Amino acid sequence: SQTIHQWPATLVQPVGSPLSLECTVEGTSNPNLYWYRQAAGRGLQLLFYSVGIGQISSEVPQNLSASRPQDRQFILSSKKLLLSDSGFYLCAWRAQPYEQYFGPGTRLTVT
Amino acid sequence: AQSVTQLDSQVPVFEEAPVELRCNYSSSVSVYLFWYVQYPNQGLQLLLKYLSGSTLVKGINGFEAEFNKSQTSFHLRKPSVHISDTAEYFCAVSEPPGSAAGNKLTFGGGTRVLVKP
Repeated sequence: SQTIHQWPATLVQPVGSPLSLECTVEGTSNPNLYWYRQAAGRGLQLLFYSVGIGQISSEVPQNLSASRPQDRQFILSSKKLLLSDSGFYLCAWRAQPYEQYFGPGTRLTVT
Repeated sequence: AQSVTQLDSQVPVFEEAPVELRCNYSSSVSVYLFWYVQYPNQGLQLLLKYLSGSTLVKGINGFEAEFNKSQTSFHLRKPSVHISDTAEYFCAVSEPPGSAAGNKLTFGGGTRVLVKP
């Protein structure tokens, strides 16, 4: 069966520091991969998605970036965090052309 | 472009009472529809999906939803809720593969359900 991992589970970082969040999927190959953010009390915002290694589509202009160095690995990064980057970050994958499956999330607090 | 509207941001309901969460979508093409549930500090879990066929879809945990093409709605229902159903619920829509937005899900703003004893 397929499993999706995210780490770390929680993170507290100062403003201006770098960020690296990692997502890996097991049990499937060539999945579509997605990064979402949930700000406090708000819905899901799609940040990036990838249909293959090295292929990244950005949905919202911001100081975040994403990379897909391996088939089942998706990384979210920032060079300098802003207070507004705080939120709950969710990674998701899709193998069949239908539903997405979500990871457990990373709670990021920028102080 | 497609969009999803969840008409109620919060729904308080007593335990063992029925609940209905409303979802309307707009799209110029045929769509696939989904309901997800999110418990506090967790990822989203798929409750049910409509791809084609019968317009009444049954999902996990006793939930069901009905697709109404003429009203572009996909309302979620449960005849008797439990305390454990307290969570946030998201409706989502996807276009078929091969379309411009076929790789993405568009989510509604969510409905927070609070089940009271």
